[in-house]
Amino acid sequence: QAGLTQPPSVSKGLRQTATLTCTGDSDNVGNQGATWLQQHQGHPPKLLLYRNNHRPSGISERFSASRSGNTASLTITGLQPEDEADYYCSAWDSGLSARVFGGGTKLTVL
Amino acid sequence: QVQLVESGGGVVQPGRSLRLSCAASGFIFNSYDFHWVRQPPGKGLEWVALISYVGSYEHYADSVKGRFTVSRDNSKNTLYLQVNSLRLEDTAVYYCARDSEMEYWGQGTLVTVSS
Repeated sequence: QAGLTQPPSVSKGLRQTATLTCTGDSDNVGNQGATWLQQHQGHPPKLLLYRNNHRPSGISERFSASRSGNTASLTITGLQPEDEADYYCSAWDSGLSARVFGGGTKLTVL
Repeated sequence: QVQLVESGGGVVQPGRSLRLSCAASGFIFNSYDFHWVRQPPGKGLEWVALISYVGSYEHYADSVKGRFTVSRDNSKNTLYLQVNSLRLEDTAVYYCARDSEMEYWGQGTLVTVSS
């Protein structure tokens, strides 16, 4: 099953802003929007945002998301050391009747 | 609080079977869809299967279709994944995740397929 496309790595400085992208097609990101997950090494994933920009309780407002066409973006402002993690996007693909994931982006905070 | 606890993983030979379980607590189990998602060592997340809140429909990734079966027992607040005809490439940590947006995850159970 075709997945979503994410850059393998992004590096930004402390207190800077990082924008991570996720490209799909009209059956997934363009239709249903994207979910964003954060995963620290050795831990399960954690939901950050869903349906493009809905934030579960307890998630910092430094995390926000948007979508333009078939590309979703996750923006993290005021980068902190604890933001260093792997970030995955995901969406339901209505054509495949399957959930698809991106390959993940490793965010390094310098 | 919401808790999901996976179990049933282990080391198994190719071609053999396992049944993974995900015990849920802290919420009304039969109100939510559930996913199984796996993660091979050092690699990214791969969606495996989805079951609806009453078990009326299931969906599978092509890579597991015909070999894996997701089910649930709403009287026991437990989700299952029957994994048959295991292959080396099925080696992964298997997670259960609650609801369509995967808001809650368990800690995972490791399945190692090795001869």
